[in-house]
Amino acid sequence: GESVGLHLPTLSVQEGDNSIINCAYSNSASDYFIWYKQESGKGPQFIIDIRSNMDKRQGQRVTVLLNKTVKHLSLQIAATQPGDSAVYFCAESDSWGKLQFGAGTQVVVTP
Amino acid sequence: DSGVTQTPKHLITATGQRVTLRCSPRSGDLSVYWYQQSLDQGLQFLIHYYNGEERAKGNILERFSAQQFPDLHSELNLSSLELGDSALYFCASSEGPTGELFFGEGSRLTVL
Repeated sequence: GESVGLHLPTLSVQEGDNSIINCAYSNSASDYFIWYKQESGKGPQFIIDIRSNMDKRQGQRVTVLLNKTVKHLSLQIAATQPGDSAVYFCAESDSWGKLQFGAGTQVVVTP
Repeated sequence: DSGVTQTPKHLITATGQRVTLRCSPRSGDLSVYWYQQSLDQGLQFLIHYYNGEERAKGNILERFSAQQFPDLHSELNLSSLELGDSALYFCASSEGPTGELFFGEGSRLTVL
């Protein structure tokens, strides 16, 4: 498959451990935040989202935390599995639908 | 399978040429977004159309243009191509003007 080949920050995590991926966003007017996962050779895939009127949202094995005071977003993955290895992007959107992505974090799950 | 279809998957062309990338959104989705993913720039937002109208514009070059047709498919036109335009171009769609985006598999453009 094709890969982007960016020099991304890398998070190495052992299988079964929890992962925390952090993201700083820039636009204080952003009111919608999303985490995407991109596997090699594929398009980004939606993981979880959160609106600015919330500070936490949970999904299946994933939790997103939003701290608007410091413009910080994090994604927690519980019991990380080999299939979680991918590049993870945070994205912010304003009410006009201009969705901007962060630089991405490479997650490598080791056995 | 996200339901978003992009063609072509791969395209190799020469500098100065013009290409058209096509995107068919998921059935029922009114929004189409275009993104460029290159080695040194990550995922860059280019443009967003909602129900045929341009809704938001990002860092899209003047040599690039896009449109969304009445049947909601979209085309991204890239002209006077330069080596630096080599990248993956993703299309995404969503039901409304904001919300969860569903991405296609991308079109890999190589400019030689």
